[in-house]
Amino acid sequence: AIQLTQSPSSLSASVGDRVTITCRASQGISSALAWYQQKPGKAPKLLIYDASSLESGVPSRFSGSGSGTDFTLTISSLQPEDFATYYCQQFNSYPPLTFGGGTKVEIK
Amino acid sequence: EVQLVESGGGLVQPGRSLRLSCAASGFTFDDYAMHWVRQAPGKGLEWVSGISWNSGSIGYADSVKGRFTISRDNAKNSLYLQMNSLRAEDTALYYCAKAGSIAVAGTSFFDYWGQGTLVTVSS
Repeated sequence: AIQLTQSPSSLSASVGDRVTITCRASQGISSALAWYQQKPGKAPKLLIYDASSLESGVPSRFSGSGSGTDFTLTISSLQPEDFATYYCQQFNSYPPLTFGGGTKVEIK
Repeated sequence: EVQLVESGGGLVQPGRSLRLSCAASGFTFDDYAMHWVRQAPGKGLEWVSGISWNSGSIGYADSVKGRFTISRDNAKNSLYLQMNSLRAEDTALYYCAKAGSIAVAGTSFFDYWGQGTLVTVSS
């Protein structure tokens, strides 16, 4: 199974900060990567698919990049509603589909 | 509006069975693969199982293979997960999730999720 390693596992940031989260795959997955946002008590929400495609309705301050084994989710200017946990997910190899361990973004 | 509504969770003793259901609406159900994803309390996301639009392709995580069975009824716009021989480590919130790409067997992201149904395995 392909393993996804997210870093950092948590971070503290201020409103307006630029935030970068990385996801590294244990083997190449082309661009078959998605990013999700999850707030406490809520289901995950799709942000990015195909590594860099923005899901409809998601603010443009979110962006994704990368291919192969190294991927990045960037929030260009952190907003109060962005404090949440973020997960990457690979869909190049199935089964299984796999998720990263998550990155919790907290208020500094 | 796409809606996925899970049901069937609850408290169950180790070794017993439970059947989860997911009622789908707001999209052409039989065009899409569907999946179950779970989240143990305070933990991350774990894919459990997926089924293609026509039930021709089915996959399971190693952790549930041989114990769980996924199925769907396209006439009823419903997805199911039969869980047998439940263990304490199966305790989690179980989400039903829709594949984001049409007619893809399993290699997909998830564009819609239900709110989940909680399964607690304990004596």
